[in-house]
Amino acid sequence: DTAVSQTPKYLVTQMGNDKSIKCEQNLGHDTMYWYKQDSKKFLKIMFSYNNKELIINETVPNRFSPKSPDKAHLNLHINSLELGDSAVYFCASSHAAAYEQYFGPGTRLTVT
Amino acid sequence: KQEVTQIPAALSVPEGENLVLNCSFTDSAIYNLQWFRQDPGKGLTSLLLIQSSQREQTSGRLNASLDKSSGRSTLYIAASQPGDSATYLCAVRGQGAQKLVFGQGTRLTINP
Repeated sequence: DTAVSQTPKYLVTQMGNDKSIKCEQNLGHDTMYWYKQDSKKFLKIMFSYNNKELIINETVPNRFSPKSPDKAHLNLHINSLELGDSAVYFCASSHAAAYEQYFGPGTRLTVT
Repeated sequence: KQEVTQIPAALSVPEGENLVLNCSFTDSAIYNLQWFRQDPGKGLTSLLLIQSSQREQTSGRLNASLDKSSGRSTLYIAASQPGDSATYLCAVRGQGAQKLVFGQGTRLTINP
């Protein structure tokens, strides 16, 4: 059984478009995260939600908007995509922020 | 601001050797530290989680140690195998923080 899943796995789109990435976890966790891994493989937190409430919002352009319809889902919507948004985006979850984080397989976004 | 450094950036060893990967962090006020492995094009797999009150954790051939006062952790891999080839990432959660701060990883290659 997949613990943390993301769709799509690959996303190729043109500059200026709007796109969404979906994340679901079936672990019963109450905290979910979005991380960005850039071309140098550096992973950095973007957002974190606990029980559908935003608790971390790092310095991310407001073109990025997370949405958590319920505890098991955390989606990421990106408006007006730019070349610099090309990266791998990882979703993760944990049972509260203090516990081990489990990561999804990632979504490779390429903006042309 | 917490910074995490992993040295070396890349390591290549013959199969069967024991090896140590290093992780250092600048702020010793941490809640826990987590080691992950990342295979090319894949997500992160959690290996070990060490709470700030612990000195070490073991899982199979892996042993992670934590010296909070000196801001260091090591991941010891015994009897290395080609299947251990991957990038190993260290991540730290600060006290009162909800996020993990990642190092840039050590790319490990085990040669048959």
